[in-house]
Amino acid sequence: EPEVTQTPSHQVTQMGQEVILRCVPISNHLYFYWYRQILGQKVEFLVSFYNNEISEKSEIFDDQFSVERPDGSNFTLKIRSTKLEDSAMYFCASSWTGGEGGYTFGSGTRLTVV
Amino acid sequence: AQRVTQPEKLLSVFKGAPVELKCNYSYSGSPELFWYVQYSRQRLQLLLRHISRESIKGFTADLNKGETSFHLKKPFAQEEDSAMYYCALLGSSNTGKLIFGQGTTLQVKP
Repeated sequence: EPEVTQTPSHQVTQMGQEVILRCVPISNHLYFYWYRQILGQKVEFLVSFYNNEISEKSEIFDDQFSVERPDGSNFTLKIRSTKLEDSAMYFCASSWTGGEGGYTFGSGTRLTVV
Repeated sequence: AQRVTQPEKLLSVFKGAPVELKCNYSYSGSPELFWYVQYSRQRLQLLLRHISRESIKGFTADLNKGETSFHLKKPFAQEEDSAMYYCALLGSSNTGKLIFGQGTTLQVKP
């Protein structure tokens, strides 16, 4: 069964540093998403991406966040200047339709900002 | 406001007992609802969606618009059902955004 692949599985970074979280969605999917889950809290929507542009972003997704699909296969989330409160599990997901059929999630990247 | 509420953080039952994981939603219009499951150290997986009215691994969920609920049920719990369960609502913005509940940990004891 096709999978969404995320790398790295765990990233530790110093506060103020830039991080790039990588995702390879399922190849024929058209919609791409990032979610995050702070420890003990619920899964929160960050951003959706379709047709090479952001289709929706949440209040969390401020100017320090950006997404890119640079080569038609990878889908990246960049956090420009990390803060302690960015420590969370970040999930990438993709879907063929706009979510009606449900997503396929990656296994997540645990980001720890120290 | 569009919101999903899962009132129980933890549900603990014995093997063979019935299970009901509660989910309530707030949405104007016709909602599209999902249940996702996350087994220990694994990724979130789609368990079922209300539009397909399917039964996966013995679980079913019925949309009750009057009570704005989408509870997940299974008549006889198995130990391998132990996991985190998330109810999710498709947002109305047409972007595929999912709004998740807080999640309920199901613990099935032998």
